[in-house]
Amino acid sequence: GENVEQHPSTLSVQEGDSAVIKCTYSDSASNYFPWYKQELGKGPQLIIDIRSNVGEKKDQRIAVTLNKTAKHFSLHITETQPEDSAVYFCAASYNNDMRFGAGTRLTVKP
Amino acid sequence: GAGVSQTPSNKVTEKGKYVELRCDPISGHTALYWYRQSLGQGPEFLIYFQGTGAADDSGLPNDRFFAVRPEGSVSTLKIQRTERGDSAVYLCASSSHSPGQFIETQYFGPGTRLLVL
Repeated sequence: GENVEQHPSTLSVQEGDSAVIKCTYSDSASNYFPWYKQELGKGPQLIIDIRSNVGEKKDQRIAVTLNKTAKHFSLHITETQPEDSAVYFCAASYNNDMRFGAGTRLTVKP
Repeated sequence: GAGVSQTPSNKVTEKGKYVELRCDPISGHTALYWYRQSLGQGPEFLIYFQGTGAADDSGLPNDRFFAVRPEGSVSTLKIQRTERGDSAVYLCASSSHSPGQFIETQYFGPGTRLLVL
């Protein structure tokens, strides 16, 4: 089955700096890669996703890149703000079999 | 519009008891998923419904766990003879995915925090 690894487990940046979170997956059949943000006491909230026929996608300060050959994808947050502080999860999916990484706790220091 | 809702938000029970966790998906979403999230981990798949039927229950850890979705909308996750190791956040998600179509975004509820004493 699919195995998703996510790095780093914790990330601390200064407000205004960029943050990068990386994930690798094992199943080459995976074709959908969402990223979720989870705040304390809440459910995961989708922030961006990418499908296997696209290499990069951007939405304002957030971008995701996908390298299907290397089976890795990354989340890039630019101009970070304190409200970006949360736990971020990557996931890889084929059909409805979605597997999540262990999460990255991002702290943005004002 | 209304998102996925889950009740109760918190549940404390004693070892050996039976619990039911409820999920109300987004209206019109035919696909419904249950996940379990342990502290410091990502969500772990339990079961996926397409309409009223369980299309994939391969993630259920053992036969103490069971889920139903009798009318294709609300779903209930049932845990019998609870154990301390069942303590976790149980998340529900729904999507507009239909079989044969490309996967659609899963929208999560706030979760039910289950504590087994």
